[in-house]
Amino acid sequence: QKEVEQDPGPLSVPEGAIVSLNCTYSNSAFQYFMWYRQYSRKGPELLMYTYSSGNKEDGRFTAQVDKSSKYISLFIRDSQPSDSATYLCAITSNEKLTFGTGTRLTIIP
Amino acid sequence: NAGVTQTPKFRILKIGQSMTLQCAQDMNHNYMYWYRQDPGMGLKLIYYSVGAGITDKGEVPNGYNVSRSTTEDFPLRLELAAPSQTSVYFCASSFAYLGTSGGPGRSETQYFGPGTRLLVL
Repeated sequence: QKEVEQDPGPLSVPEGAIVSLNCTYSNSAFQYFMWYRQYSRKGPELLMYTYSSGNKEDGRFTAQVDKSSKYISLFIRDSQPSDSATYLCAITSNEKLTFGTGTRLTIIP
Repeated sequence: NAGVTQTPKFRILKIGQSMTLQCAQDMNHNYMYWYRQDPGMGLKLIYYSVGAGITDKGEVPNGYNVSRSTTEDFPLRLELAAPSQTSVYFCASSFAYLGTSGGPGRSETQYFGPGTRLLVL
């Protein structure tokens, strides 16, 4: 069983829709949860960082963590074409990150 | 600040050739990392370094070597290139708090470079 599982997509939604991206993990020792966004032919950049169960909001983005289910989500409201990218979840209990495989998202104008 | 820089951007190697991928950061981060990214496989950690003079293996270290002589630079060496090393390589850096009393540390945001695309033929 992989430590972090992420649906690779691809996922295509119309502009303005709510997007839900998800990851599951197997190691209950993980305590820090991140979402990275990666545009085509670029390096990943941090989008959201949280370390507790519950929701964390930043503009149109909401990160949700459910430690009891070992499940994390990223919600994007009012999706824009500029949100088209690959989204990677990353989880850690120390200095090293374990990444999901990434979900490729396309927002259709 | 330039952040994390990588050179070259793209390289074609023949099987058996060697090369060094360069990585530098100007944020005074103590931790530096090398990842490879293959289609549909996410990012896999090759090597990482907790500071100058200290390196450690990640998940997929075979076929690679690293050194960390300064805080700023963390080159990745491929000695005998193989087709399986065709990939996109990303360098990253972060400030990490070391664990106390043997416990795990914690890393702040990892900042990634733009990547090096390597094709081995």
